[in-house]
Amino acid sequence: ETGVTQTPRHLVMGMTNKKSLKCEQHLGHNAMYWYKQSAKKPLELMFVYNFKEQTENNSVPSRFSPECPNSSHLFLHLHTLQPEDSALYLCASSQDRTGWNTEAFFGQGTRLTVV
Amino acid sequence: TQLLEQSPQFLSIQEGENLTVYCNSSSVFSSLQWYRQEPGEGPVLLVTVVTGGEVKKLKRLTFQFGDARKDSSLHITAAQPGDTGLYLCAGAGGTSYGKLTFGQGTILTVHP
Repeated sequence: ETGVTQTPRHLVMGMTNKKSLKCEQHLGHNAMYWYKQSAKKPLELMFVYNFKEQTENNSVPSRFSPECPNSSHLFLHLHTLQPEDSALYLCASSQDRTGWNTEAFFGQGTRLTVV
Repeated sequence: TQLLEQSPQFLSIQEGENLTVYCNSSSVFSSLQWYRQEPGEGPVLLVTVVTGGEVKKLKRLTFQFGDARKDSSLHITAAQPGDTGLYLCAGAGGTSYGKLTFGQGTILTVHP
């Protein structure tokens, strides 16, 4: 396998459900990211992990909880979401976040629908 | 907060036409990247431009970084239906060290 893999590709969940999104990268990168992509809005950076440590939380509501057990895996735990949280959630990785020219490699995304 | 303005937001053209997408900011970036995203997929990196005034060519796509490293353009010659997709520019560095600032994207549709 190569690149960045996200599962599941599609997820429908109720507002009281708890679910998790998974991301795995096989590029040997040290930084991983969660982005939210909604219609008609720029990509929104949610969380950044560098060498397994969370280095950024862009004022994301606590109903989104990230976890990074190692440099290759990233999770986004979801609970008590709202319908406005429906979006495409993208995981990305880069060599590390210490460089001035960060290049991101994205997974295919999870299309989340909250009902 | 750094912002990147992309224009146009939507572009619908016929096969064979040329087009240019612009990405502008009041901020200076260390580099600027262009991504292409197809429906239901994640963005795929096309190119990174680093030096002010730099021009890079990728087959029918020409990318330019402004001299002041605040803006960039993507020019497509003789567009084909396979070029259809969302084009995103992203700036790296500047005051957002280690982060990418994305533009809102340009949705390109090329009709056969």
